[in-house]
Amino acid sequence: EIVLTQSPGTLSLSPGERATLSCRASQSVSSTFLAWYQLKPGQPPRLLIYGASNKAIGIPDRFSGSGSGTDFTLTISRLEPEDFAVYYCQQYRSSLWTFGQGTKVEIK
Amino acid sequence: EVQLVQSGAEVKKPGESLKISCKGSGYSFTDYWIAWVRQMPGKGLEWMGIIHPGDSAIKYSPSFQGQVTVSADKSISTAYLQWSSLKASDTAMYYCARRLGGHWAFDYWGQGTLVTVSS
Repeated sequence: EIVLTQSPGTLSLSPGERATLSCRASQSVSSTFLAWYQLKPGQPPRLLIYGASNKAIGIPDRFSGSGSGTDFTLTISRLEPEDFAVYYCQQYRSSLWTFGQGTKVEIK
Repeated sequence: EVQLVQSGAEVKKPGESLKISCKGSGYSFTDYWIAWVRQMPGKGLEWMGIIHPGDSAIKYSPSFQGQVTVSADKSISTAYLQWSSLKASDTAMYYCARRLGGHWAFDYWGQGTLVTVSS
């Protein structure tokens, strides 16, 4: 089973700043199979990025994904107040999906 | 509009059985896989299993194999997650989610069903 390790655990930033979230896989993951989600309290997860770099429907341009192999990144170019949340990466391989443990983006 | 609507919150005792549901609408239910995802209190997301309502193909996470049963009734566009004997450690929020067609992410999610197991 592939393990996804996200870092940092918590990111303390101010609105307007750039957020860079990391997701490292224990084995190589095809970019096609890497996704990112946003989770806010009281709401279901929201798909942000699929295929490592493709934005889901309705996702603002400030969100972008990149990476390959074992290292993937979610970047939020300029944080808006509604972006403070927990972010999860997810991968698929051999009929199994796994999530990372999450990165919390909090207001500094 | 694509929607996944889950059944309401449940409070159960250890040892009881439970079946929660997820009804899809606004799309062809038999063409998309439906997954179940757990979030325990204060914890992260865990993929439990997935079903293709069209042919009832099912895959389970090794962590949940034998612990839960995933099923679907395509005649009423509804997927299910069930337990035969609940434990306190099953207390969690459970989400259903639709797999994005042709991709390996989940694009639409139910609102979640909170299951509380307590004596």
